[in-house]
Amino acid sequence: QVQLQESGPGLVKPSGTLSLTCAVSGGSISSSNWWSWVRQPPGKGLEWIGEIYHSGTTNYNPSLETRVIISADKSKNQFSLTLMSVTAADTAVYYCARWFSGTHADSWGQGTLVTVSS
Amino acid sequence: NFMLTQPHSVSESPGETVTISCTGSSPAFARNFVQWYQQRPGRAPTIVIYEDQKRPYGVPDRFSGSIDSSSNSASLTISGLKTEDEADYYCQSYDSGKRMFGGGTKLTVL
Repeated sequence: QVQLQESGPGLVKPSGTLSLTCAVSGGSISSSNWWSWVRQPPGKGLEWIGEIYHSGTTNYNPSLETRVIISADKSKNQFSLTLMSVTAADTAVYYCARWFSGTHADSWGQGTLVTVSS
Repeated sequence: NFMLTQPHSVSESPGETVTISCTGSSPAFARNFVQWYQQRPGRAPTIVIYEDQKRPYGVPDRFSGSIDSSSNSASLTISGLKTEDEADYYCQSYDSGKRMFGGGTKLTVL
């Protein structure tokens, strides 16, 4: 069974850059699945950030696409999220997930809280 | 912008049946699959229904999904409610290659 684990700084300064990595085990990011990032501000709902396919094709949430880059490192079997020019509104638990058969997220990381504060 | 609208909260008693709705703002809603996720406090979401009405292995048949194309809506029905079903539930679909979640519904079983 595939497992995902997020890692990265838990605190980022306003106007800075948020960078997270999702390590995948028990499966390959070169498989025919989308690999995505989803976030959840404290006490609020889920927001899809974007995704990457093994070919390198990416899709992004239109509300974030000017600030987001999702990339993959096949040699390390991991993918990453970069979110630029962050504000307090970007404070959230960030999840990475595998989108199976292109329809549903069947495997999720445990999530990591990122706080934007000076 | 395409949106998915869910009731903020629902409540029902153990053993009863509850239905959570998810309404799409675009006719394109009916052309794309709808998924449902369960999220317990402090935990990552888990899939309970995918591709409108399919149940992943391990999800009890008390959970069922349906689509009503005429009203641009999807529904998650949970029968024989148990206290362990108390959680937030999110519908999810996509439009023009972009995925999206509904605002979530808090289910209280009391």
